Amino acid sequence: QVQLQESGPGLVKPSETLSLTCAVSGYSISSGYYWGWIRQPPGKGLEWIGSIYHSGSTYYNPSLKSRVTISVDTSKNQFSLKLSSVTAADTAVYYCASHYIWGSYRLDYWGQGTLVTVSS
Amino acid sequence: QSALTQPASVSGSPGQSITISCTGTSSDIGNYNYVSWYQQHPGKAPQLMIYDVTNRPSGVSNRFSGSKSGNTASLTISGLQAEDEADYYCNSYTSSSTLVVFGGGTKLTVL
Repeated sequence: QVQLQESGPGLVKPSETLSLTCAVSGYSISSGYYWGWIRQPPGKGLEWIGSIYHSGSTYYNPSLKSRVTISVDTSKNQFSLKLSSVTAADTAVYYCASHYIWGSYRLDYWGQGTLVTVSS
Repeated sequence: QSALTQPASVSGSPGQSITISCTGTSSDIGNYNYVSWYQQHPGKAPQLMIYDVTNRPSGVSNRFSGSKSGNTASLTISGLQAEDEADYYCNSYTSSSTLVVFGGGTKLTVL
């Protein structure tokens, strides 16, 4: 069974870069899926951030594209998110998920999520 | 403002059926059968309930069903149970530059 686990700092200062990693187990990150990041501000809805394939091919949400970098490390079976120049508006629970985009675009498996607070 | 429009809340009594709507445009729901639905209990990660408008992943109860008409997709839950109380989000592929968009979410209350 595919399992995903987010990790990274829970507190980031304004103007700095948020960095998170998603470790994938039970499935090779090089097989079949894109791998995505989704976030949810406290009390609000879900927002797709972007997704990456093991080849490095990426899709980004245009509203965040100028600040987002998603990368993949196949040797460690994990992928990462970097969000630069953060503000309080970037405070959210960040989820990683498997993103099957081959004619479906569904998010099959999700991590438990990690809360990142932007505050000085 | 979300790209897909959902009602903020719906409610129903145990045993009843409810339907949650998700309205988009011809750039997403209207021209593509790539609508998925997610259930999210408080403090938990979302869970895929329906994909490609009508398909249920293995392990999801057949009380959950999906449909689409024009620019609006719908999630129907029959035989409501207390455990169905949660937030529900729709999601669709979009031909705009965004790739995929979520609805704003609907809170389901089981009375």
